[in-house]
Amino acid sequence: EVQLVESGGGLVQPGGSLTLSCVASGFTFRSYWMHWVRQVPGKGLVWVSRLNSDGSLTTYADSVKGRFTISRDNAKNTLYLQMDSLRIEDTSVYYCTRGLGAFWGRGTLVTVSS
Amino acid sequence: DVVMTQSPLSLPVTLGQPASISCKSSQSLVHSDGNTYLNWFQQRPGQSPRRLFYEISNRDSGVPDRISASGSGTDFTLKIGRVEADDVGVYYCMQGAHWPYTFGQGTKLEI
Repeated sequence: EVQLVESGGGLVQPGGSLTLSCVASGFTFRSYWMHWVRQVPGKGLVWVSRLNSDGSLTTYADSVKGRFTISRDNAKNTLYLQMDSLRIEDTSVYYCTRGLGAFWGRGTLVTVSS
Repeated sequence: DVVMTQSPLSLPVTLGQPASISCKSSQSLVHSDGNTYLNWFQQRPGQSPRRLFYEISNRDSGVPDRISASGSGTDFTLKIGRVEADDVGVYYCMQGAHWPYTFGQGTKLEI
């Protein structure tokens, strides 16, 4: 059974940093592109970033470019999202997904507030 | 960015009756590899999104036959043959042909 478990969310002040993790199981992690998608509670979905299977190709939404870094450790079956210079508008539930949304984790809530 | 426009945004339905959601993209979703990357997702209250269909009409595991998807180019449709209580939630179309990938605004289906 495919499982994706996010962690690392929490309350952070504007300008602060946070690193999210997503531990994958039930499939060959190193073979798949992985992605982060976010959702303001009660609102729509926004694709944030993507990363190819070996970690050599990254892409970001304009709203996070230069502030967020996606990475992976295929030996640990783990996807990361390093978030720096956080803004109030980054407050969202962050989901990791495999491929184009084939599987989703339960998400982790990031709240940016003073 | 590719704009995905769904209609209606609110869909009140009666149990056992059909329902249909339209999704239109601002440009063709045919990728250079020849595939059309249009997916449909369901998000039940309090849950993560769940993919229902990929590449227009390929049904994901566990999706009942009474739910179907179709379309081409820039016009796509999700149809529910007979609505059941389990179908309540928000439905999103999403394009994966052009970065940044984008979602429609969501259609809230309620009984």
